[in-house]
Amino acid sequence: AQSVTQLDSHVSVSEGTPVLLRCNYSSSYSPSLFWYVQHPNKGLQLLLKYTSAATLVKGINGFEAEFKKSETSFHLTKPSAHMSDAAEYFCVVTLFWGGGGNKLTFGTGTQLKVEL
Amino acid sequence: AAGVIQSPRHLIKEKRETATLKCYPIPRHDTVYWYQQGPGQDPQFLISFYEKMQSDKGSIPDRFSAQQFSDYHSELNMSSLELGDSALYFCASRDGQNTEAFFGQGTRLTVV
Repeated sequence: AQSVTQLDSHVSVSEGTPVLLRCNYSSSYSPSLFWYVQHPNKGLQLLLKYTSAATLVKGINGFEAEFKKSETSFHLTKPSAHMSDAAEYFCVVTLFWGGGGNKLTFGTGTQLKVEL
Repeated sequence: AAGVIQSPRHLIKEKRETATLKCYPIPRHDTVYWYQQGPGQDPQFLISFYEKMQSDKGSIPDRFSAQQFSDYHSELNMSSLELGDSALYFCASRDGQNTEAFFGQGTRLTVV
């Protein structure tokens, strides 16, 4: 079984300040973890992924996340927020069996608001 | 690069009607997922296919059915539509050798 908990449903930051979106996961096996971003009325875009390689993962648009097995966390960070970062962010966990088919389990999402 | 294509992008149906949503995965992707996202909700897993066989099933109502065809495209058939079926329906595809899933833009279904 696998699950994801996004600890904050809403996060508000000022432009130019750091962003922290928190995600904790639960999985019976070594998971693969992702962060997706969804802008209003848009599809889901992959920001970054962790697949048992380097624990610090860099993604697009200056985002990065660190996989911490001891804390079962995969928090998303960005040093300096931009207005265009305002969107909904989803943490996703899946198990990779090498043959496809396993579902992606979504967290409940974190709405990021960026203020001037 | 080719992406996941969903059609139609928007669909308006009346209650009790039937709708068919189509998903065309990225070429050579063998896994397709369907998700339903209600207003202000996170995406809920409906069903997935791997190599044209159903591989996992989530909270898909009995009124819905889906299949993956020989060319790997998938269709989600929805019958006896209810107002509560109004949502954004996402399809995602994945290469069985890779963990990353790519999402389509979604089909926005409105039931009136």
